[in-house]
Amino acid sequence: AQKITQTQPGMFVQEKEAVTLDCTYDTSDPSYGLFWYKQPSSGEMIFLIYQGSYDQQNATEGRYSLNFQKARKSANLVISASQLGDSAMYFCAMREIDFNKFYFGSGTKLNVKP
Amino acid sequence: DGGITQSPKYLFRKEGQNVTLSCEQNLNHDAMYWYRQDPGQGLRLIYYSQIVNDFQKGDIAEGYSVSREKKESFPLTVTSAQKNPTAFYLCASSLQGYNEQFFGPGTRLTVL
Repeated sequence: AQKITQTQPGMFVQEKEAVTLDCTYDTSDPSYGLFWYKQPSSGEMIFLIYQGSYDQQNATEGRYSLNFQKARKSANLVISASQLGDSAMYFCAMREIDFNKFYFGSGTKLNVKP
Repeated sequence: DGGITQSPKYLFRKEGQNVTLSCEQNLNHDAMYWYRQDPGQGLRLIYYSQIVNDFQKGDIAEGYSVSREKKESFPLTVTSAQKNPTAFYLCASSLQGYNEQFFGPGTRLTVL
């Protein structure tokens, strides 16, 4: 079974609008971390935001927020006020603490239209 | 500046040749990872190491080999047994626990 599922291969959003990128995960480990990374066309992986499995509040980092719904096993990324520079691939990832491995989803390609 | 370096950025090799990709970090991280990324795809784990002189196979280890003789270094050798080695290779490192991975800039390998 897939550990991380991203069901949106590609998305478009108008500049200055908000967009939600979906991510669901599968684990039986009670302790885990969830991450979002941005990959521009240059290929570098840029860490955006982190959510711990025991965190009570949703994580926020500037224009990024993580909508964490533990019972549904979802960790959606919300980007507010989209900018042209947000056009990139976005990957959701999970770390199971016991095994110290990271699992990545297949990614969502976001295009921001002017 | 602390970070992860990968060299070279672009690498061309003839089919049948082994090639070694370099990965060095000065972040004092215990864990290091190698991923392969094909165009338009996600990251697939090749090998990872949690401590010096120890490493584990990831999901696609066949045709690859690694070593971890020093904490700072985790070179990846793409052997001639790898059927389709042309890809983008990313090295990463992390602390133990809940911390994120830090990535190097990647190496684009093209086998001619």
